Amino acid sequence: ETGVTQTPRHLVMGMTNKKSLKCEQHLGHNAMYWYKQSAKKPLELMFVYSLEERVENNSVPSRFSPECPNSSHLFLHLHTLQPEDSALYLCASSLGLAGLVNEQFFGPGTRLTVL
Amino acid sequence: QKEVEQDPGPLSVPEGAIVSLNCTYSNSAFQYFMWYRQYSRKGPELLMYTYSSGNKEDGRFTAQVDKSSKYISLFIRDSQPSDSATYLCAMSGVGGGFKTIFGAGTRLFVKA
Repeated sequence: ETGVTQTPRHLVMGMTNKKSLKCEQHLGHNAMYWYKQSAKKPLELMFVYSLEERVENNSVPSRFSPECPNSSHLFLHLHTLQPEDSALYLCASSLGLAGLVNEQFFGPGTRLTVL
Repeated sequence: QKEVEQDPGPLSVPEGAIVSLNCTYSNSAFQYFMWYRQYSRKGPELLMYTYSSGNKEDGRFTAQVDKSSKYISLFIRDSQPSDSATYLCAMSGVGGGFKTIFGAGTRLFVKA
């Protein structure tokens, strides 16, 4: 185990549903990330939080809404998604943002299917 | 042009073979070069980490960075079935920034 947990592991939702993905890290890290992983494509960075402040919002559609209530928890709120949003959503954390402290520890991901 | 190019494979080799995995990149300002390994139904985990150019060895794994050619490699000696996974190259450190750019990953199968 990497010390980063994600729930749920699998999620199937309709285009009109609202759901949330949850991430929790037990490593005492200060930075947390959301990535989207699609088949045969590079990981796409979606959001980055450092000390609970958003420092990166990578042109992500507004149907994805992140929330970081504290340095251990990260949420991704989903609403009115499209079928092309189906992917593996990975959460990661790191001790800090720059240099050698940027080693990222990933959770197992949430496999999202949008019908 | 993509910032990082990586052949997605799949790459299939017999047990005991030497495996060579590669990435090219376009931004000469990258300073940190990483290889992540991702097993099926798991998240990526950091395998090796190199700062700037040169080689780094860890057991059966060797990472090489050639900044003049913008080319990085991961060699696996005496490959084992347990090495079967997707290997992602990653780079960061542009202008002291934190953003990590990942390759698409190469799917490796080591046959017993």
